[in-house]
Amino acid sequence: DAMVIQNPRYQVTQFGKPVTLSCSQTLNHNVMYWYQQKSSQAPKLLFHYYDKDFNNEADTPDNFQSRRPNTSFCFLDIRSPGLGDAAMYLCATSRDRGQLEAFFGQGTRLTVV
Amino acid sequence: TQLLEQSPQFLSIQEGENLTVYCNSSSVFSSLQWYRQEPGEGPVLLVTVVTGGEVKKLKRLTFQFGDARKDSSLHITAAQPGDTGLYLCAGATYGGSQGNLIFGKGTKLSVKP
Repeated sequence: DAMVIQNPRYQVTQFGKPVTLSCSQTLNHNVMYWYQQKSSQAPKLLFHYYDKDFNNEADTPDNFQSRRPNTSFCFLDIRSPGLGDAAMYLCATSRDRGQLEAFFGQGTRLTVV
Repeated sequence: TQLLEQSPQFLSIQEGENLTVYCNSSSVFSSLQWYRQEPGEGPVLLVTVVTGGEVKKLKRLTFQFGDARKDSSLHITAAQPGDTGLYLCAGATYGGSQGNLIFGKGTKLSVKP
């Protein structure tokens, strides 16, 4: 059974139109991450939540926001998607800060037209 | 800036051959993880190595953590087409109460029947 679920698997959005990607987990893990992965590149960390504490990476554009309303759910909001934001977006969880083994969802492939 | 260099970047071999993938850094990591990612899917954790010099085996896959905890290798014996995918190493570091997971760029493996 899938433990980290991302919806949708594929998302097409228009240039400049806000879009939200969702992630849910059944592992009851404290930490949730959002990564951006472009073709043939390593996943790039955008931000993560430790419980309700939000931790933004220094080079994450302001265009990217996140919400975590409860332990199970986390959302990635892209306020004004540009063509350069087309990528695979990966959600991951880990049990705690001191236990960094990451469990990934299947990803959402975002296309910007 | 901490970097993880993976080599080779691409590898195409015939079924039955052996191969080794390397992950190197100038930084010391608390632990190192190997993931395998198939096209259009999220990375799946294969193994975590924690102790310098540690060797772990997973069927035909052998993982080694360097004595100084700065490098790691993945050796596959008698590769099969099902081993095809992107292999990512990720190093975990801890600073204060924060942890961080740094990914290498990956090795794209293709095993031909």
